[in-house]
Amino acid sequence: GAGVSQSPSNKVTEKGKDVELRCDPISGHTALYWYRQSLGQGLEFLIYFQGNSAPDKSGLPSDRFSAERTGGSVSTLTIQRTQQEDSAVYLCASSFTQGNEQYFGPGTRLTVT
Amino acid sequence: RKEVEQDPGPFNVPEGATVAFNCTYSNSASQSFFWYRQDCRKEPKLLMSVYSSGNEDGRFTAQLNRASQYISLLIRDSKLSDSATYLCVVISGNTGKLIFGQGTTLQVKP
Repeated sequence: GAGVSQSPSNKVTEKGKDVELRCDPISGHTALYWYRQSLGQGLEFLIYFQGNSAPDKSGLPSDRFSAERTGGSVSTLTIQRTQQEDSAVYLCASSFTQGNEQYFGPGTRLTVT
Repeated sequence: RKEVEQDPGPFNVPEGATVAFNCTYSNSASQSFFWYRQDCRKEPKLLMSVYSSGNEDGRFTAQLNRASQYISLLIRDSKLSDSATYLCVVISGNTGKLIFGQGTTLQVKP
């Protein structure tokens, strides 16, 4: 079956611009996660959605970052007024439910110039 | 102290060698454990779950030691294609969230 998909695969933006990153989870998966990974670094948890519950936003690094998940499926991560330190690969993952193994999308490589 | 800790390596081994990675976790209430593999500039992919009784998948063996709070991954007869970063993943006993270790890098040389 189809895996997790993300778009765009690459995004280059100027400092100060807003960007939107999209994630399509595996059909039927109720849990969706966003992570960030800088070059050579580990995964940094950003935000997590489980069904209709309020999202766990504890990993968002600043109020410039926000995410929503519409209809319990597709999710959008928005970064406002991008900074150079936001440059990283943004990974989305989904799982059948909370606590199960996660399946990752290919990521969006964001470069802020 | 990090909730999940791994030796970052790198581990440089010749083809055919046996190599083992350990990962320690701090929360004794942790319930589930996984090993993921991440190739350079790619997303992490599930390698195997880790069961209490230990489990084997071909050349890969995973074990759990709850008393000492560590999990291990053993790779036998290493192949060049095994070169990657191996991530230890623990489900937090408190929140149910997956906690990723920083990863152990393996480089298999011809």
